[in-house]
Amino acid sequence: NAGVTQTPKFHILKIGQSMTLQCTQDMNHNYMYWYRQDPGMGLKLIYYSVGAGITDKGEVPNGYNVSRSTTEDFPLRLELAAPSQTSVYFCASYSDGGGSYEQYFGPGTRLTVT
Amino acid sequence: KQEVTQIPAALSVPEGENLVLNCSFTDSAIYNLQWFRQDPGKGLTSLLLIQSSQREQTSGRLNASLDKSSGRSTLYIAASQPGDSATYLCAVNTGTASKLTFGTGTRLQVTL
Repeated sequence: NAGVTQTPKFHILKIGQSMTLQCTQDMNHNYMYWYRQDPGMGLKLIYYSVGAGITDKGEVPNGYNVSRSTTEDFPLRLELAAPSQTSVYFCASYSDGGGSYEQYFGPGTRLTVT
Repeated sequence: KQEVTQIPAALSVPEGENLVLNCSFTDSAIYNLQWFRQDPGKGLTSLLLIQSSQREQTSGRLNASLDKSSGRSTLYIAASQPGDSATYLCAVNTGTASKLTFGTGTRLQVTL
């Protein structure tokens, strides 16, 4: 049981390039989330999904896109990367089917846009 | 819009002291509140989760309390150790899709 996994761990992107951050969970959780954390700050919600095929915007969605074709995977797409997207990105998952009620977080992807 | 504030932003204490970290939130209609620990350059480790119907939760030397009506939670750490040095984040779940709103954290340093 790996929990929430994210790839890559680190990446340097040039301004204007695009890339996809991968997130996979093996807990059969229906909810998945993408957050970003800027230096010295808390986490802010980018996008979330309440189940396969359903996604919605969070607090800071501009410059990002997501899709949820399966329960396990929730990739985050950055289009036309900008320096303001330099951040650490965390994926999380949660199940409302009872249990711990906790959100489980992946280890993060540290992205630099230069 | 829910806003979460953590005070102080940074705290330095000698080893062995008991300490309290504070978290306040503006909208009392919460589902639960979660405390996390984050080590430098690392991910988040969940410490304690308090449901809105609970007053406190305990795990080892950690005790978290919740006063929903006043919009406050505290994380009490007993007999602090250098290994407790980290940033502590609180996050509020307002129930809608279980989205979390985070505070900016308290950076704790426990000195020898």
